[in-house]
Amino acid sequence: DTAVSQTPKYLVTQMGNDKSIKCEQNLGHDTMYWYKQDSKKFLKIMFSYNNKELIINETVPNRFSPKSPDKAHLNLHINSLELGDSAVYFCASSPSTPSLNEQFFGPGTRLTVL
Amino acid sequence: AQKVTQAQTEISVVEKEDVTLDCVYETRDTTYYLFWYKQPPSGELVFLIRRNSFDEQNEISGRYSWNFQKSTSSFNFTITASQVVDSAVYFCALSASRDSSYKLIFGSGTRLLVRP
Repeated sequence: DTAVSQTPKYLVTQMGNDKSIKCEQNLGHDTMYWYKQDSKKFLKIMFSYNNKELIINETVPNRFSPKSPDKAHLNLHINSLELGDSAVYFCASSPSTPSLNEQFFGPGTRLTVL
Repeated sequence: AQKVTQAQTEISVVEKEDVTLDCVYETRDTTYYLFWYKQPPSGELVFLIRRNSFDEQNEISGRYSWNFQKSTSSFNFTITASQVVDSAVYFCALSASRDSSYKLIFGSGTRLLVRP
């Protein structure tokens, strides 16, 4: 069974479009995250949600809007896509208990903006 | 400020050689967690190990071993008798207790190439 799943795996779109990436975890975790990995492989946190509440927004542009309909899902909507948004986006989840805070990552979504 | 430094951008070894990947971290927290993740060419992020700041015991798992030294703020990773399948990008990461989300701060990664 897939622990953290993301759809789609690949997304190719034109500048200016709006797109969404979906993430679901079946691990019963309370906390979910979005990370961005750029072309140089740098991985950086974007957002974190705990029990559907936003707890981190790492100075991400307003064009990015996460939505958590329930604690098993954390979707990422991006408006007015720009070339610089091209990256691999990883969703992750973890228990909120500190001693168990290993993060499980989804397979990633490779976004290409043309 | 919290920071993770992986000074080795790329390492190339011949199969069966031992290789050590360096990781140096910075944090003011007394309670924190250190991680290593592997990213093979297929792109997924694979968890390898987590260490908390109160546990300085070194760990060995098969060909993998980790050396945690608080005195030098380092958490180095050694692969013994490397294999071609070990070729990947390896990330060291830190999360701190004062941040309730326990977000991961990643190093820039070390690309390991194991040649046959």
